[in-house]
Order: sequence, then C-alpha cells, then structure tokens
Amino acid sequence: NVMTQSPLSLPVTPGEPASISCRSSQSLLHSNGHNYLDWYVQKPGQSPQLLIYLGSTRASGVPDRFSGVGSGTDFTLKISRVEAEDVGVYYCMQPLHTPLYTFGQGTKLEIK
Amino acid sequence: QEQLQESGPGLVKPSETLSLTCTVSGGSLSFHYWSWIRQPAGKGLEWIGRIYYVGNTDYNPSLKSRVTMAVDTSKNQFSLKVRSVTAEDTAVYYCARTYGEGYGLDVWGQGTTVTVSS
Repeated sequence: NVMTQSPLSLPVTPGEPASISCRSSQSLLHSNGHNYLDWYVQKPGQSPQLLIYLGSTRASGVPDRFSGVGSGTDFTLKISRVEAEDVGVYYCMQPLHTPLYTFGQGTKLEIK
Repeated sequence: QEQLQESGPGLVKPSETLSLTCTVSGGSLSFHYWSWIRQPAGKGLEWIGRIYYVGNTDYNPSLKSRVTMAVDTSKNQFSLKVRSVTAEDTAVYYCARTYGEGYGLDVWGQGTTVTVSS
C-alpha cells in the first residue's frame, strides 16, 4: 500500500488555515465502518506524536483547531488557524494493509 | 503517564546484528501492540514491525528476512534485532505503542541513533 501526501512543503501565515492531503492506493475503510488512517506531527528535534486516528478522532490533548476528514482513499488534515507551534513535518499513516503502518512522505509546514 | 525508552549500542559494524531494547515504564505491556519505527537522517518514517504482548509479530516485508522482535513481560521490555546490517540501516530508531487496533501509535520513545560503520 502506498500513501501519497501533498503538498510536500507548506508555508503558512500565522492565523491562516492549512490543509494537507493524503491519498492511499487502497481503501482504508474497514468493514467495521471506520477509516484506518492516522495523522502525526514531528516537531523539530522531537519524536512524532499522534494527532488524529480513525480518520477523524483527535488524540488526547490535541487542540480542536486540528481536524481530519475523508474516507476510503482520500483524506485531509485541516488546521483552522495555524500557530507558530504547529511548525513541523506532518505524516499520514495507514494501519490496515500490508505492510502495516505505511507512512506518507511527510509534509513540512513552515511559518511565512 | 506511560513512557518508553530505547536503549542499545549506538554503533554497529557492517554485517553484524543491531540489538535494541525498549523499556516501558508507568504502564504494562499487556493488551497492547508494540512497534519499532526508524528514520534515516533527514528522511521519513519507516515502520519495521510490531509485536503483541503475547508474542505475535508482524514485520515489514522489506525487512522481514533480517528482523526479529521479542517481548519480555517480566521486565516490561520488548526488543528488536536486525541481522546483517549495512550503512542503509543507519537511522534513529523509535519504539512506540498502539493501544489497540486502529488507535494509532499513541506513545513514542525519544528515539536512539544507531550508526552502522566499521
């Protein structure tokens, strides 16, 4: 399974919205009705951290300006108002098809 | 708050075996999946494999022939071995937890750098 993100680089003005797209080569819709798609952010010098799982569920402590939408093969991470602390590389990941836990290439969000 | 800590040699010679351990503190191995992920410098994330607390494993097919994972519930640790390493195995290695199927890699270690060089 191949995960393709776009754009790979995303300069954003603070306070403006941002969107990152992730496309899977196979449907991530499980028979249980959930989409098996996660979003992670890796801030500079840190380990990755979970933002969104099951396509749209925010992980504990994640601000509500982050949202995940999409189904099947097309997904989007949305940030309603970018803050300086959001700088980092964002990855989508699928935990459904072999090889399990396939990551996208990453999208580098930077502040203009 | 559960924490993960990777440990092991930072330098491994080519053709030898890379061995890492992840120690879980503040929680238990039970009922969760435990993964290894690596990241070469300046590059993206690559999942190596995972182990369930009872020992069932899933490996990335690209590494399956060289990888072994094990769990030691008495020590609250799980481990990774990668055989016949080359310079391409040089990376930061992370261990991480999946609470349950579909729930994401929700707890990560800080990562440990492994360099393959003679």
